[in-house]
Amino acid sequence: GAGVSQSPSNKVTEKGKDVELRCDPISGHTALYWYRQSLGQGLEFLIYFQGNSAPDKSGLPSDRFSAERTGGSVSTLTIQRTQQEDSAVYLCASSLAATGPHSPLHFGNGTRLTVT
Amino acid sequence: GQSLEQPSEVTAVEGAIVQINCTYQTSGFYGLSWYQQHDGGAPTFLSYNGLDGLEETGRFSSFLSRSDSYGYLLLQELQMKDSASYFCAVRDYGGSTLGRLYFGRGTQLTVWP
Repeated sequence: GAGVSQSPSNKVTEKGKDVELRCDPISGHTALYWYRQSLGQGLEFLIYFQGNSAPDKSGLPSDRFSAERTGGSVSTLTIQRTQQEDSAVYLCASSLAATGPHSPLHFGNGTRLTVT
Repeated sequence: GQSLEQPSEVTAVEGAIVQINCTYQTSGFYGLSWYQQHDGGAPTFLSYNGLDGLEETGRFSSFLSRSDSYGYLLLQELQMKDSASYFCAVRDYGGSTLGRLYFGRGTQLTVWP
């Protein structure tokens, strides 16, 4: 597609339920990033993928969070047993590569997650 | 790790010039980027400085001084549509966190008519 696509755009879930967020990066982009943004706050790094590999998972807030990427393309971020503090906008971004010459990030419009 | 500091808010009038500063502390450094985010929108890339000096792109310019761990974004001939949040970001240079892009907390720019 022309840009990074995220689904769903909005998700309301009950505390304790699992949720799965999806990201479709720009075709040909080998690097994929997940960030979290709370209201009026900056972007909190969660995880990035180079290809299907996630070299750095240390940004994930807890073991309830996991992410995978298959075929060097689509990525899913899964949050198990959601808590109210998980409520935020989850942003996905892709770039040509995570290392080497500068490659700007292209962001999707995000998934707004509300845990009730 | 990385730490970036930028002002939380800046206000200016249409047609004015505004400068948004960013200071950083890093264990490695691989360039300073700036992103713009309108309310409810996705962050979009504005500029990148890999070397010291000024980079100009239309009404926007960005500056970097690596010796001072300091950069700024300069917005000229401000327009109402420039009202947005502006984030500086640095990429980690090595180790297990190579590839991470760290963002500051953002500066909310309000342009008044």
